[in-house]
Amino acid sequence: KAGVTQTPRYLIKTRGQQVTLSCSPISGHRSVSWYQQTPGQGLQFLFEYFSETQRNKGNFPGRFSGRQFSNSRSEMNVSTLELGDSALYLCASSPLQENTEAFFGQGTRLTVV
Amino acid sequence: GQQVMQIPQYQHVQEGEDFTTYCNSSTTLSNIQWYKQRPGGHPVFLIQLVKSGEVKKQKRLTFQFGEAKKNSSLHITATQTTDVGTYFCAGPPPGGSARQLTFGSGTQLTVLP
Repeated sequence: KAGVTQTPRYLIKTRGQQVTLSCSPISGHRSVSWYQQTPGQGLQFLFEYFSETQRNKGNFPGRFSGRQFSNSRSEMNVSTLELGDSALYLCASSPLQENTEAFFGQGTRLTVV
Repeated sequence: GQQVMQIPQYQHVQEGEDFTTYCNSSTTLSNIQWYKQRPGGHPVFLIQLVKSGEVKKQKRLTFQFGEAKKNSSLHITATQTTDVGTYFCAGPPPGGSARQLTFGSGTQLTVLP
């Protein structure tokens, strides 16, 4: 069974630009969650999608958005990038059931210069 | 909001020594999960505890969930160099989605050969 695939693995962007990251979940998993990982703030929940709808959202500004497609693939977008957005962005897929583990992708390392 | 604290932040041990990391939540958890992240890697699920007072073992790893379901611990017996990494606990918010995880700050384990 293929794991969670995130693309690209690395990105360098300039302040003010926008970026789109992609995540393909494990086949059969309908829930996709996004997390931001930084040395200072640790792992923080961004949002969760299933059935093409955002279900939960963490405490991040509106510059962070996402969407999910009918095949459960998800994208997240960050607009007007700031230096502080430099982070490892992790996607996690899960089946839609309680008490289930999250399967993380390898992440996209975003550097904003 | 929910806060999950972990101590210690860093731990250096000699190979063969034991290691313990502690996790405390500001709210009662429906379940607690443990993840391991190797340097340069992504979080990998280790285990989930659901019941009050639950204890689970995986070879040299012992996981405990507190009676009040607000704290947890991970104990590694006779550490090996393969145990190197950061260990995170995580739990969902009260009444929230099981997939919206609040992560502890992690304990970074270094094992000296």
